[in-house]
Amino acid sequence: SYELTQPSSVSVSPGQTARITCSGDVLAKKYGRWFQQKPGQAPVVVIYRDSERPSGIPERFSGSRSGTTVTLTITGAQVEDEADYYCSTAADNGRVFGGGTKLSVL
Amino acid sequence: EVQLLESGGGLVQPGGSLRLSCATSGFTFTNYAMNWLRQAPGMGLEWVSTLSGSTATYADSVKGRFTVSRDNSKSTLYLQMNSLRVEDTAIYYCAKDIEWGQGTLVTVSS
Repeated sequence: SYELTQPSSVSVSPGQTARITCSGDVLAKKYGRWFQQKPGQAPVVVIYRDSERPSGIPERFSGSRSGTTVTLTITGAQVEDEADYYCSTAADNGRVFGGGTKLSVL
Repeated sequence: EVQLLESGGGLVQPGGSLRLSCATSGFTFTNYAMNWLRQAPGMGLEWVSTLSGSTATYADSVKGRFTVSRDNSKSTLYLQMNSLRVEDTAIYYCAKDIEWGQGTLVTVSS
């Protein structure tokens, strides 16, 4: 199936490690990608190809995979990391997205 | 630096039409597949269409109503949207691989 499942919310205190998972059978053969979206702003890719970080994205953002689950890890989360995070992968016809995870850092 | 600038959004009545544009710069436009995605108010992200070379693919929700095209001489991507529905209300984003534009708002309402 083409569904990606993420937790609806994750909450951590500043300086703690935040982990957001994304699971789906479609991930078995396709790379995962992570988007960060702050209120009123366009989504920004923070991780692509499971674990690659675009230039300009802080090193505290990392990605990993285990089977059909990809994980976004924010090591030492900052208040400014509070945002919605979406996982995504390529499908046979276009792209599929997870429902999004609201990360609270407080 | 890759730049993607969407335009053409606005308020349209149900059943109406609108054409979105995405002006690009900073990369060789002809070398890349280009995408349209959207986000309804308060909702998640949804893929709309991809144009790779001359091959266009569409989400089932827009198939038969939307048409994607490109003008390589202008490095510009288009999305012609016909028979618009209230549920097409969203911010529409243009994207090249991992780079996205800032989006343009389409509101379908009577």
